[in-house]
Amino acid sequence: NAGVTQTPKFQVLKTGQSMTLQCAQDMNHEYMSWYRQDPGMGLRLIHYSVGAGITDQGEVPNGYNVSRSTTEDFPLRLLSAAPSQTSVYFCASSPPPSIFYNSPLHFGNGTRLTVT
Amino acid sequence: DAKTTQPPSMDCAEGRAANLPCNHSTISGNEYVYWYRQIHSQGPQYIIHGLKNNETNEMASLIITEDRKSSTLILPHATLRDTAVYYCIRQTGGSNYKLTFGKGTLLTVNP
Repeated sequence: NAGVTQTPKFQVLKTGQSMTLQCAQDMNHEYMSWYRQDPGMGLRLIHYSVGAGITDQGEVPNGYNVSRSTTEDFPLRLLSAAPSQTSVYFCASSPPPSIFYNSPLHFGNGTRLTVT
Repeated sequence: DAKTTQPPSMDCAEGRAANLPCNHSTISGNEYVYWYRQIHSQGPQYIIHGLKNNETNEMASLIITEDRKSSTLILPHATLRDTAVYYCIRQTGGSNYKLTFGKGTLLTVNP
């Protein structure tokens, strides 16, 4: 199992450019989410998905779009990059919880994005 | 609003126990306490979780007070590789996909 794989590891964009951060998991997890982490800060939730075809906004969704066409993939799109989006982006997945157990998140190792 | 309070930093000598406190005085009855850690530049890693009983696994022990208003993560024999930011998080069973992370505690293990 590769777990949660994020690509690319590093990216530099110019203001106004668009790009897609890729996230794939091979654990058949229904839940997936995107976080951003700024220096000295905790992680902030951008968007999440509880299953294929279902997405919702988190704490800081502005400037980002997501879609979930398959269970495995959850790409994050920046439509028009801004310097304020310079950050480290983490994707996470988990199976859905049940009354019998809780399900910790499995994180990827991040994409470091710089917008100039 | 991270809903938990942790000291910003702590030091520990290698080989000694590291005890990391967390205050969650407004925790609800159906909320678990989860601990994650983030080693430099990597994604966060799950450590342990509990509801009201003390828990132990191969990585750590979790002690939750009887009133559930606070907890302590214990790394029994800290190593240099345990240097990381440790996050204490409240989590209901149905919301594990949208956790709220605070700034955590930077634990530095010194040789």
